[in-house]
This record gives sequence, C-alpha cells and structure tokens, in this order.
Amino acid sequence: DTGVSQDPRHKITKRGQNVTFRCDPISEHNRLYWYRQTLGQGPEFLTYFQNEAQLEKSRLLSDRFSAERPKGSFSTLEIQRTEQGDSAMYLCASSQGWAEETQYFGPGTRLLVL
Amino acid sequence: GDSVTQMEGPVTLSEEAFLTINCTYTATGYPSLFWYVQYPGEGLQLLLKATKADDKGSNKGFEATYRKETTSFHLEKGSVQVSDSAVYFCALSDDNYGQNFVFGPGTRLSVLP
Repeated sequence: DTGVSQDPRHKITKRGQNVTFRCDPISEHNRLYWYRQTLGQGPEFLTYFQNEAQLEKSRLLSDRFSAERPKGSFSTLEIQRTEQGDSAMYLCASSQGWAEETQYFGPGTRLLVL
Repeated sequence: GDSVTQMEGPVTLSEEAFLTINCTYTATGYPSLFWYVQYPGEGLQLLLKATKADDKGSNKGFEATYRKETTSFHLEKGSVQVSDSAVYFCALSDDNYGQNFVFGPGTRLSVLP
C-alpha cells in the first residue's frame, strides 16, 4: 500500500496561466475525491469520481475548473486562467466506495497564484 | 445542508493534561463521523471514526462517542503528549451527499512540555 500520491507538491504560477495537478489513488480504491483547503480552514469538497464517472461537483467548482479520471485510476484537476483566489492546498483522497467510506488523503498540492 | 462545528482554537495544554475538543454536527441523513489529524507539514490522517449512534471510536489514546441525541462527537484524551500537537478536524460523511466529507474548520492543539 503506497498511499495516495499527488504531483506536484508545490506550484507557483502567474495569474491567467493554466495549471494541472495529478492524483494517484490507492490502487484498489474506486472512489476519488478532490478538496480545496485554505489557510486556517477545513478541506472543502470540490468533486468526486466513482471509477471514471464524475458523479458530483460542488458549486465551488467554477467553469475554470475541470477534473478527469479517464481510466478510473489516476485523476487530473486543471484550473484555467488562474486567479489569486485560487491559491490554496488542493487535496486528493480515495476510498473503496460504498462498503468502506473512510477516505485516505494525499499530501496535497500547494498552489500559489501571483 | 450538512455542517460541522468545532470549538475554536488554538488550544494550549501542558503535557499529561486532559483534552476535550468539542464537535457538533447537522445532517439530514445518518452520517458517519470522523476525526482526522494533520501534523505539521503532513497530510490528513484518519484518527478514529464511528458509523452509528452510540459507537465509540478510539485510537492512540483518543476516544470519541457518536451521540445522536446531542448531535455531537467530542474528541477526548486522558493525557496528552507533546507529539499530539497538531490540527484536529471533525468530519462527517453522509449518504445523501454521495459520501463526500464535510469538515469542520479544525482545532489547533499545542502541547507544552
């Protein structure tokens, strides 16, 4: 069990640029979640996948955000035309699904938009 | 919608003191309840969980009991150590929301030697 991994761990970009983050879940986990965490706050749900299907998206996920999980394994989260307000820690988590709901979190990708 | 409220921090205790971090929730369904811990520079780790009323979750000396009548899941430890210094998050998972987690804002604990 190698755990959930995320890449990159840190990203600094200029406003208006596009960024893409990758998450590799625990291999046998069907569900994959994305969260955003700002300083001093708890993680806020963005979206989740059951295998390759994106089943739910939060209102926090504006049109500039898109997530994919093309083969039901790793996932990518892209932010287009980044804004300073996008600066946050982006967390990925995975779980086995309905039978076991405990989510296991990756170390996160810290984004800073200048 | 569902929500989680935690006592505000930071909480500062001396080593071997008793710890309580309050957590209350609002949910439309029958949620499972969790405590996650985030040590400095690390990712979120599951500390303990309870899936139904009156269940008690426990791990590493920490305990929390799922109290449906008071909609609470308070975290307790009888004797804290310096190594317990971290941010603690209460969270719920509700079937009505596809099992995505709703987190509280976190409570920072500092334990002094």
